[in-house]
Amino acid sequence: GQQLNQSPQSMFIQEGEDVSMNCTSSSIFNTWLWYKQDPGEGPVLLIALYKAGELTSNGRLTAQFGITRKDSFLNISASIPSDVGIYFCAGQLRPFGNEKLTFGTGTRLTIIP
Amino acid sequence: EPEVTQTPSHQVTQMGQEVILRCVPISNHLYFYWYRQILGQKVEFLVSFYNNEISEKSEIFDDQFSVERPDGSNFTLKIRSTKLEDSAMYFCASSEEHNEQFFGPGTRLTVL
Repeated sequence: GQQLNQSPQSMFIQEGEDVSMNCTSSSIFNTWLWYKQDPGEGPVLLIALYKAGELTSNGRLTAQFGITRKDSFLNISASIPSDVGIYFCAGQLRPFGNEKLTFGTGTRLTIIP
Repeated sequence: EPEVTQTPSHQVTQMGQEVILRCVPISNHLYFYWYRQILGQKVEFLVSFYNNEISEKSEIFDDQFSVERPDGSNFTLKIRSTKLEDSAMYFCASSEEHNEQFFGPGTRLTVL
């Protein structure tokens, strides 16, 4: 099946630092999404990308849909304590209803006081 | 803001017992999903459901699993005879057509 690998697996940063994480796939996806999961909660959608090469921002978050359609990255600028959590990329073959999400392995973000 | 709700938040059961996990999707959504997440691992797709039938299911979704929309608001996942390896967080999600999936808070299933 399709595999989405995220790196790094975990990050330890200080408040105010910028963060960069990426996601690579063994096959093409036509939609990329980034979700954040807090402990004991469900994933919450941060950014959705629908077109190869697309760069999209949501506040301090910026994500890009790789031109090969096999990768995506997420940047967080000026990190704050509430950014702590696990970040998952997810891919869809088609942006239609009913299309399953394939999730990545996750990047755990920890902010060191 | 409308949200997906799930009950119970935590279910403990004995191996071999049947469990039913319940979800109330967002009211105007037509597409429904179940995912699971084993502790410390990634979220995995189980099944998608539209127009009162299964659209797609994964290898995980074997004969022990079933889904149902018993009325206009609930969407359920039944596991007929639970196994130890069914212990996980189970997430329900819903979406409109051509739109993002919204996830519920999950049910933690513990099989003893």
